[in-house]
Amino acid sequence: DGGITQSPKYLFRKEGQNVTLSCEQNLNHDAMYWYRQDPGQGLRLIYYSQIVNDFQKGDIAEGYSVSREKKESFPLTVTSAQKNPTAFYLCASSPGQGWDEQYFGPGTRLTVT
Amino acid sequence: DQQVKQNSPSLSVQEGRISILNCDYTNSMFDYFLWYKKYPAEGPTFLISISSIKDKNEDGRFTVFLNKSAKHLSLHIVPSQPGDSAVYFCAASDGRNTPLVFGKGTRLSVIA
Repeated sequence: DGGITQSPKYLFRKEGQNVTLSCEQNLNHDAMYWYRQDPGQGLRLIYYSQIVNDFQKGDIAEGYSVSREKKESFPLTVTSAQKNPTAFYLCASSPGQGWDEQYFGPGTRLTVT
Repeated sequence: DQQVKQNSPSLSVQEGRISILNCDYTNSMFDYFLWYKKYPAEGPTFLISISSIKDKNEDGRFTVFLNKSAKHLSLHIVPSQPGDSAVYFCAASDGRNTPLVFGKGTRLSVIA
């Protein structure tokens, strides 16, 4: 089955710790994205990557870092510098042709206390 | 500055009636529009799209209308079903290799 997997579904961390969220896709898509969803805020773009070994900041990149060493993987690290890390994080991918339809993973709920 | 606006945070509709979700945009470079549906604690799923060369696209119970002069699009769901209860996101693309721009979403509740 082709799709996007995010793990784990729920993640708990103590304040001050870095945490890495996993995102893997087997759709052979070039482009991958990370979004954050907060109540009433919709989907806010954190980082995106159009090709391996290249990525760009989105609207709210501060306190986050990413890597794209393999086409199928785009992990997101939430660093201790992120002031409000508790949120629902969504990974997505698209073929990379014209930035149209994006396919989303099931999401990871991160809670930092 | 929000380029894609969904001004109604929520909408309640009786089962069997029509649901109309609205979306406005400000960037005249947008030429492709999409609607996504999202259930709680799940990722959004693609619902329907429309290109700026069209003013209507239909897929079963779902129809999207585009009014380019008003920079407005709407999603019609007829008839509405309880399983349609979800958050609906409008998204837009300018086709220039920039990411989709999403609205904040409208929560639809279909009451049986």
